[in-house]
Amino acid sequence: SQQGEEDPQALSIQEGENATMNCSYKTSINNLQWYRQNSGRGLVHLILIRSNEREKHSGRLRVTLDTSKKSSSLLITASRAADTASYFCATDEEYDMRFGAGTRLTVKP
Amino acid sequence: DGGITQSPKYLFRKEGQNVTLSCEQNLNHDAMYWYRQDPGQGLRLIYYSQIVNDFQKGDIAEGYSVSREKKESFPLTVTSAQKNPTAFYLCASSPGRSIRGGYTFGSGTRLTVV
Repeated sequence: SQQGEEDPQALSIQEGENATMNCSYKTSINNLQWYRQNSGRGLVHLILIRSNEREKHSGRLRVTLDTSKKSSSLLITASRAADTASYFCATDEEYDMRFGAGTRLTVKP
Repeated sequence: DGGITQSPKYLFRKEGQNVTLSCEQNLNHDAMYWYRQDPGQGLRLIYYSQIVNDFQKGDIAEGYSVSREKKESFPLTVTSAQKNPTAFYLCASSPGRSIRGGYTFGSGTRLTVV
């Protein structure tokens, strides 16, 4: 069963704009991760945020976590056409990671 | 370079046929996983293995089988009992289940029933 649910399902923006994707989950977590998937390829790990952290940065990525609302957001600043991909949040459960259905991001040049 | 290799990239299966998807890693990771991805959906766990000669069923194990005879290898067999096998299959690994870090994924195998 899925744990994380991303919102929106699809997002289309112009190059240079910021992209924000949200993830909601149901149960308590130890950490939450964001992954990126280019079409027809495997997933690439982007960033991990632990349950006791509220915000984390990595290059143009900013992730926030609100455990009281059971939600996280991924912000990509100054987007590029190469950022076009699907983005998934994943939460750890006892035996495995649970992935949402993803947000499909299209960045138009 | 360390990583995970999945083969083949594309696979076609006839009705009633068993097929095996290969997954090899040279990252010295203890844990390995198989996920299935259907269009517009997230990843669903098929099987996982925490250590050599041990593996556990995930959410959708019916119609699939695995083995873990070597640390580096975790092949997945899609049997004829799997009624709807057309999907994108992803293999992943991690240092160990007790280590909460990112997974490393292979590039996937797209399986189509013909």
